[in-house]
Amino acid sequence: QKEVEQDPGPLSVPEGAIVSLNCTYSNSAFQYFMWYRQYSRKGPELLMYTYSSGNKEDGRFTAQVDKSSKYISLFIRDSQPSDSATYLCAMSAKGGNQFYFGTGTSLTVIP
Amino acid sequence: DAGITQSPRYKITETGRQVTLMCHQTWSHSYMFWYRQDLGHGLRLIYYSAAADITDKGEVPDGYVVSRSKTENFPLTLESATRSQTSVYFCASNGASGADTQYFGPGTRLTVL
Repeated sequence: QKEVEQDPGPLSVPEGAIVSLNCTYSNSAFQYFMWYRQYSRKGPELLMYTYSSGNKEDGRFTAQVDKSSKYISLFIRDSQPSDSATYLCAMSAKGGNQFYFGTGTSLTVIP
Repeated sequence: DAGITQSPRYKITETGRQVTLMCHQTWSHSYMFWYRQDLGHGLRLIYYSAAADITDKGEVPDGYVVSRSKTENFPLTLESATRSQTSVYFCASNGASGADTQYFGPGTRLTVL
C-alpha cells in the first residue's frame, strides 16, 4: 500500500464550478500537509501548506485536513481556466526528512 | 537570480552512457532532493541530502549516484544510463526537513535511447 493515495482523474469541470481534490494517507505520523500545482512541463509550485488538522483558506483555495480519517482535501471555488493543471498532495512527519507525494490529479477547467 | 535551477533542461543520451544532471540553489537550504516523475507513479524520491557531504537513499536509488561537496549544489549522475531511466527529473530544496515546504526546480527532461 502506498503511503499516499490520490485519484489521478482526469477531472474536467466548467468554469465557475467548485472543485474538490482529495488524498488519503496511511501514516498517522504525518503532521505537515501541502498541495502543489504543476503546469504542463513545469516544476511543482507550492499552493497551500497546513500544519496538523483544520482548515486553511487563501483566496479561492481552501485546504482541509482530517487527521482522524487520514484524509485531506483541496477546494477550488469559482474555478478558472488558468486553474487547469495537475494538483499533487504531499505530506511529511514532524522531524522527518522525506516528503511523500500523491500521484497527482489532472484538472481541466473548460471556459 | 535567487532560486533553484537545473541544467540541462533537456537531454538525449544513449544506453550505457554516463549522464550528470546539475542542481543549484541560492537559498543556502540545508536539504536537497532528487525526484523522478513518471506517468502513473507521480514523484518518486531518488536521493536526498541533509547537508554537505551527507546523502541518503530514497525510494528508487538504483543506477544513480549523488554527491554534495557544496551546500548549493547537488548533482545527480546516471552511471550507465538505461531506457528505464527516461523520465523528468526534479531537484528540490528546503531549509528544515519535514517542517518546511519544498521548492522545486524547473526539471530536466531526460531521454535514453
